[in-house]
Amino acid sequence: DIQMTQSPSSLSASVGDRVTITCRASQSITRYLNWYQKKPGKAPELLIYAASNLQSGVPSRFSGSGSGTDFTLTISSLQSEDFAAYYCQQSYSIPFTFGPGTTVDIK
Amino acid sequence: QVTLKESGPALVKPTQTLTLTCTFSGFSLTTSRMHVSWIRQPPGKALEWLARIDWDDDKFYSTSLQTRLTISKDTSKNQVVLTMTDMDPLDTATYYCARTVAYTSGGYYVYYFDYWGQGTLVTVSS
Repeated sequence: DIQMTQSPSSLSASVGDRVTITCRASQSITRYLNWYQKKPGKAPELLIYAASNLQSGVPSRFSGSGSGTDFTLTISSLQSEDFAAYYCQQSYSIPFTFGPGTTVDIK
Repeated sequence: QVTLKESGPALVKPTQTLTLTCTFSGFSLTTSRMHVSWIRQPPGKALEWLARIDWDDDKFYSTSLQTRLTISKDTSKNQVVLTMTDMDPLDTATYYCARTVAYTSGGYYVYYFDYWGQGTLVTVSS
């Protein structure tokens, strides 16, 4: 199975801050990488697919980059509704695997 | 619009078999390259992919859980069913079903979960 790691595991930030979350795969997954946002009590929401493609309806302050083993999710200007957990997920091979998550909370 | 909804027991006893149903609308599992996955999240823990069923009835499972999982579909009812045998308190989690589609570019397919159900909390306790 491909192992996914994320850093940091949590971060505190203020509204307006630029936030960067890193995801690393245990082997090359080219661009088979997706990002999700998860709020307590709600279903996850797709943000980015195939490393850098913004899902329809997702604000443009979210962006993704990377290829191979290292990927980044960036929130250019954090908004109050962005405080949540973020998960990366690889679909290079079955079984699909998620990272352990990064929690973004209010400083 | 696309919707999915999970249903099943909220409480199961250890060693019992869990059966969850995902009822969906807005798409069909008879459509080429359409898929449905099950994913779970234990309280305070990360998301975990469990299984996927494809439009052509191909099935795929988590490596660690494959001996306990069975996924099936009833296209006439727009339903996907997941069964998990020998339930344990560690299986306590919110279980989600999600439509799974593929982005294609340059000959490769990137699968992702674009629509999710609201989730159903399953507690395993005697």
